[in-house]
Amino acid sequence: AQSVTQLGSHVSVSEGALVLLRCNYSSSVPPYLFWYVQYPNQGLQLLLKYTSAATLVKGINGFEAEFKKSETSFHLTKPSAHMSDAAEYFCAVSEDYGGATNKLIFGTGTLLAVQP
Amino acid sequence: DAGITQSPRHKVTETGTPVTLRCHQTENHRYMYWYRQDPGHGLRLIHYSYGVKDTDKGEVSDGYSVSRSKTEDFLLTLESATSSQTSVYFCAISDLRGGTGNTIYFGEGSWLTVV
Repeated sequence: AQSVTQLGSHVSVSEGALVLLRCNYSSSVPPYLFWYVQYPNQGLQLLLKYTSAATLVKGINGFEAEFKKSETSFHLTKPSAHMSDAAEYFCAVSEDYGGATNKLIFGTGTLLAVQP
Repeated sequence: DAGITQSPRHKVTETGTPVTLRCHQTENHRYMYWYRQDPGHGLRLIHYSYGVKDTDKGEVSDGYSVSRSKTEDFLLTLESATSSQTSVYFCAISDLRGGTGNTIYFGEGSWLTVV
């Protein structure tokens, strides 16, 4: 069965510092991977997705993630944090490898705090 | 904007009462989902639908039922609400367009408190 693990339930960075949010996946075949962001009291917004087209995926708001098969990782990064990046971030894998049903399995989330 | 509307957005109900949450979409997507979000668990799939009257169970379906009589509406029912069903419920749709793999879009959530 596929799964994702997010290391660190809380991450705090200073404004302008590098953001690194970790996600490791478990899958026997190439997975379809996603990062979502959730602002307080809102729904989830797609940041980016990996569908095997390219290992470095660029998303919205300056975020990007790199798929590393050898490390079974899909970490999310942003070179310079903004106050507006404070939110909860979820990594997810498609249970049926991007098939039609596209059921997602989510990690437990990482809450990002940005300090002024 | 994926055109998803959830109602009600907030509800407080008593243990043992039935509750129905409604998800309405405007873009004729075939696949619709109900997830619940709880601290420390992320989001977990309750039920999903792949067409009118076609539904299937997800990871945490016990205590929930769903119905889809029209393409645009997907209802989640708690037949007899329990305190363990206090949660935030998200509806989602799968957009099969775009050619770069399916994308799941989420509604704004329904906050349910069972007292």
